[in-house]
Amino acid sequence: GQNIDQPTEMTATEGAIVQINCTYQTSGFNGLFWYQQHAGEAPTFLSYNVLDGLEEKGRFSSFLSRSKGYSYLLLKELQMKDSASYLCAVRDSNYQLIWGAGTKLIIKP
Amino acid sequence: DADVTQTPRNRITKTGKRIMLECSQTKGHDRMYWYRQDPGLGLQLIYYSFDVKDINKGEISDGYSVSRQAQAKFSLSLESAIPNQTALYFCATSASGTTGELFFGEGSRLTVL
Repeated sequence: GQNIDQPTEMTATEGAIVQINCTYQTSGFNGLFWYQQHAGEAPTFLSYNVLDGLEEKGRFSSFLSRSKGYSYLLLKELQMKDSASYLCAVRDSNYQLIWGAGTKLIIKP
Repeated sequence: DADVTQTPRNRITKTGKRIMLECSQTKGHDRMYWYRQDPGLGLQLIYYSFDVKDINKGEISDGYSVSRQAQAKFSLSLESAIPNQTALYFCATSASGTTGELFFGEGSRLTVL
């Protein structure tokens, strides 16, 4: 079957750096997405990777290794507003999105 | 105003009742989706539509039906609601020919007693 694994919860300190990992086993690969979801709100798009390597967008970066079935989201200079869940999703060979359960990130002062 | 609007935002109903959740969008996107989110689980796709005449079942379509009334409107119906359909429901849109980034509505929280 298809599977996306992410840690359930992580804690980090304001101003620090945190890396949220995502491993996947899917039928084919046509891109990986990261979304941010604040409690009680809709997910919002953060990043998209389809080729190996690092994509940087401000304080957020996303890395992909297709051979390892692995991605991470790196958040730098953490702010309290970064407290949210981070969802990893992979598009399979049928162009269907497979979603992880999300990682709840708690930022402490 | 939100680009993707869902109504109602919250609904409490009883087992056996028919419920409709509505979604409208002003983004001009051709593709629309209905997802369900439960605690501890990833988003699950219920139905999706790539244009007005195209309707496709997702991974959990049993107990649900949809209607694409116009490019901008996509509604989800529960013909006879049951308690395990209690969840947060999201409508989303995307544009063909792009990376497929999804734009979500604010969500509709449904409770079936």
